[in-house]
Amino acid sequence: AQSVAQPEDQVKVAEGNPLTVKCTYSVSGNPYLFWYVQYPNRGLQFLLKYITGDNLVKGSYGFEAEFNKSQTSFHLKKPSALVSDSALYFCAVRDTLTGGGNKLTFGTGTQLKVEL
Amino acid sequence: SAVISQKPSRDICQRGTSLTIQCQVDSQVTMMFWYRQQPGQSLTLIATANQGSEATYESGFVIDKFPISRPNLTFSTLTVSNMSPEDSSIYLCSVGRVASEGEQFFGPGTRLTVL
Repeated sequence: AQSVAQPEDQVKVAEGNPLTVKCTYSVSGNPYLFWYVQYPNRGLQFLLKYITGDNLVKGSYGFEAEFNKSQTSFHLKKPSALVSDSALYFCAVRDTLTGGGNKLTFGTGTQLKVEL
Repeated sequence: SAVISQKPSRDICQRGTSLTIQCQVDSQVTMMFWYRQQPGQSLTLIATANQGSEATYESGFVIDKFPISRPNLTFSTLTVSNMSPEDSSIYLCSVGRVASEGEQFFGPGTRLTVL
C-alpha cells in the first residue's frame, strides 16, 4: 500500500527566509510524487511533480522539491518565502507498481504561515 | 491543465435529504475522481467515476450512500444521500488523463453543511 507522511502540522517562517515543508512516502514500486497547495475556500492547485530524472524539480510560484530515494523523502522548498505563500500544502504519491490507475494518496497537510 | 467547475459551491442541507453535486470539465478527460475533505482533514478518495459504467468505490464508501454518474467524458455527478451532520465536508472532483504521469487537477470544491 502507498502512504504519505507530513510530520509537521504547521510551519512558520519569516518573509524572505527559506522555507521547507517535509514529506516522506512509502510505496512498493517507484513513486510518482506531487505537491499541491490549497488556499482558503479554494480547491487544490497543482505545484509540481517528480516522475523520473533530475532529483530537483521546479514548479509554480518559485517552489521546488527534492526527491531523495534513500530517505524516501520529497521535501518542498522555496529560497525566499512570501506572505502570500501562506496556505495549506499537501504532498501526494502514486505507486507505479500497484497499477491502481491514477489513484493518489495524500498526506495530512502542512499549514504554512509566513510572517512579516 | 483543464478548467473544472463545480455546482453548487456551497449548500446547507437538512438531515435526511440528498444533494447532487455537478462537476464539469472544459475538455475531454479520461479519469474523473471524487474526494471528500472533512474539516481540518486531508483528502480521502471516495470513488473513480467511470464513463458509461458503474463507479469504482474505495473502502468505506458505498454506492447507495454516494451514487455517481458519468454520462460522458466531461461531466460527472456525485449525490450525497440521506445526509447526516457527519457528511459535512468539502467535496472535490478532480480529473486526470491516462496519458499523463498521474497528476490530477481539482475543481474548486463544494462546501456542504448538514444540520
